[in-house]
Amino acid sequence: QITLTQQAESLWISPGERVSITCRASQSLLYTDGKHYLSWYQQRPGQTTKALIYHASVRTDGVPTRFIGSGSGTEFTLSIEHVQPEDFAIYYCLQTLKSPYTFGAGTKLELK
Amino acid sequence: EVQLQESGPGLVKPSQSLSLTCSVTGYSITSNYWGWIRKFPGNKMEWMGYISYSGSTSYNPSLKSRISITRDTSKNQFFLQLNSVTTEDTATYYCARGPGYPSYYFDYWGQGVMVTVSS
Repeated sequence: QITLTQQAESLWISPGERVSITCRASQSLLYTDGKHYLSWYQQRPGQTTKALIYHASVRTDGVPTRFIGSGSGTEFTLSIEHVQPEDFAIYYCLQTLKSPYTFGAGTKLELK
Repeated sequence: EVQLQESGPGLVKPSQSLSLTCSVTGYSITSNYWGWIRKFPGNKMEWMGYISYSGSTSYNPSLKSRISITRDTSKNQFFLQLNSVTTEDTATYYCARGPGYPSYYFDYWGQGVMVTVSS
C-alpha cells in the first residue's frame, strides 16, 4: 500500500504567519489522466471534517484562498498564508490513487 | 445540502460486532460512493471501505473478512458491521461521501461517533 508521511506531528505558529505542511508519498500519485490523487483535510473539535484541496492543488468550494495546495509526484505541500485563529486544527493528507486509500499521520497546528 | 449522520452504540464488548448506521440527507446514496473512515486515539486515520452507487463494495485488506458495508436505499442509509472487535477497534467512526468521479476525494463527512471496545 502507499504510505504517506507527514513528518511534522505539530507545528507552532502565531496568527498572521505563513505555514507549510508537507506530505510525502512512497510512490507517485500521478495518474494517467495527468492528475494527482492527493487531497487535504482539516479537523477541528466539534466540527465536521472539511475537505480543503483535491487533485493536489484544487481548492474545494468555499475554502479561503489562503489555503494553497502544491506539489507533484511524491511531494506535496499545504500552505496557509496569514494563518487565522480558526485555522488551528489537525491537517491530513489522503491518497486515493490506489486502494487501500491511506492517510498521512496528521499535522496539528498549535498556537505559539 | 448534503448531510451525513452516524449513529450506533458507543460501547461494544470484545469479540462482539460493531454496527453503525450512516443516515444521508440531501443526496441519494444510489449516486456516488459512500465510505467509512475511523480515527484512532492518537489521531491515526484509516479508510475502512466503501459502498458504491450500484451496491458494490471495496474494503481495506487490513480488516480482512471482519467488515461488511451494506445499504438500505429506501431509507437512504448505509451501514458498517465490524465483527470480532478488540480493544484496538476503539476509535471515532466517520461516514463520508466519496471518493467518486471526477474528483476522487471525500467531500462530505459526518460528525463521527466514538466507539469504545471494552468489557
